[in-house]
Amino acid sequence: AQRVTQPEKLLSVFKGAPVELKCNYSYSGSPELFWYVQYSRQRLQLLLRHISRESIKGFTADLNKGETSFHLKKPFAQEEDSAMYYCALRTTGTASKLTFGTGTRLQVTL
Amino acid sequence: GAVVSQHPSWVICKSGTSVKIECRSLDFQATTMFWYRQFPKQSLMLMATSNEGSKATYEQGVEKDKFLINHASLTLSTLTVTSAHPEDSSFYICSARDMGRFAEAFFGQGTRLTVV
Repeated sequence: AQRVTQPEKLLSVFKGAPVELKCNYSYSGSPELFWYVQYSRQRLQLLLRHISRESIKGFTADLNKGETSFHLKKPFAQEEDSAMYYCALRTTGTASKLTFGTGTRLQVTL
Repeated sequence: GAVVSQHPSWVICKSGTSVKIECRSLDFQATTMFWYRQFPKQSLMLMATSNEGSKATYEQGVEKDKFLINHASLTLSTLTVTSAHPEDSSFYICSARDMGRFAEAFFGQGTRLTVV
């Protein structure tokens, strides 16, 4: 069975400092990895996906199959980045579904 | 982006009663919808996959007779918590997959269920 691990429950950084939210996964097939973000009192929304190889709001994430990781990075944290971040893996096939990690709360302080 | 609407946003019910939660995709058709449960400060746990026109697929450990799922149209799935008990109190979230947008999943705002 697939599994997503986010080792940090809380990550507190100063504004302007680099951010790295860790995510590791295990899955026997070829995974699709995502990062979702949930701002205070808002619904969960997609931040980025590995297949797009894009940068959203300054965040990037690279899929490392050798290390089975998909860490989320941003060079300079902003206050508005404070939120709950979930790493998710989507299985392939007709019965594909998303499996979420436990989430990391990012707190950016002045 | 696509919008998924859940109703109600919060509900309080008495033990033993049933509660229905609706999940609607407002501007796209969703052949597949998902129901999650989230406990305080924990992750989203998938309960079941709802397929339009067919039976839902439940995750291991989820009672299908307790959590009835109906997906009668391409824009509506419902979750009914039957004979609710206080331990069913939780945050329930649905998501709908838009096959026209790289099968991206869009999430509802969630429903806070409190059983007293």
